[in-house]
Amino acid sequence: QVPLHESGPSLVKPSETLSLTCTVSDGSISSHYWSWIRQSPGKGLEWIGYIYYDGTTNYNPSLKSRITISIDTSKKQFSLNLSSVTAADTAVYYCARVDLSSGWYTDLWGLGTLVTVSS
Amino acid sequence: SYDLTQPLSVSLALGQTATITCRGDKIGTKNVHWYQQKPGQAPVLVIYRDDERPSGISERFSGSNSGNTATLTISRAQAGDEADYYCQVWHNRAAVFGSGTQVTVL
Repeated sequence: QVPLHESGPSLVKPSETLSLTCTVSDGSISSHYWSWIRQSPGKGLEWIGYIYYDGTTNYNPSLKSRITISIDTSKKQFSLNLSSVTAADTAVYYCARVDLSSGWYTDLWGLGTLVTVSS
Repeated sequence: SYDLTQPLSVSLALGQTATITCRGDKIGTKNVHWYQQKPGQAPVLVIYRDDERPSGISERFSGSNSGNTATLTISRAQAGDEADYYCQVWHNRAAVFGSGTQVTVL
């Protein structure tokens, strides 16, 4: 079983909302920050935002107006909504776990899911 | 915002040592983490908190951080080390990734 697993539509139309869910299979959801990170084709990594189990969030300022990250601790899932998407939002989206013990490093990544924005 | 600058690419011969830099303003005051990403795969943490190695990561990977430059060193390079490498810090509670360095082992 994959410790972190992203799920959601692989194709989204321009101007619509991209919605992804990450299911946590390994460990507690209450003791880490949970991040979304994306990578456009052939490009580098871009942090989208994180959420804590208590609902505390922080978002990338460049995307903040379009992002909502939520969490359902009972289902051990957290989700990403990105509104008003354009072709520039086409990317592999990763969910990831941030270890808070010291230094805040991302120690676990999902396999990633490719989301294409196209009509 | 906070910017991290990495060289676009590094090439080295099998068995040689690769040095990948990550430059940022006063980066020496931050914890730097390094990730290895092979084509079609998710990134993997190879160094955290400047110079710590996660379990399972080869001792050939090492890191340092001082002043305005953090460095990832890959000793005795192997073909399997070919990958993109990204540095990362937290700035004002936002994660910032470097631009990435492609390492080619000849």
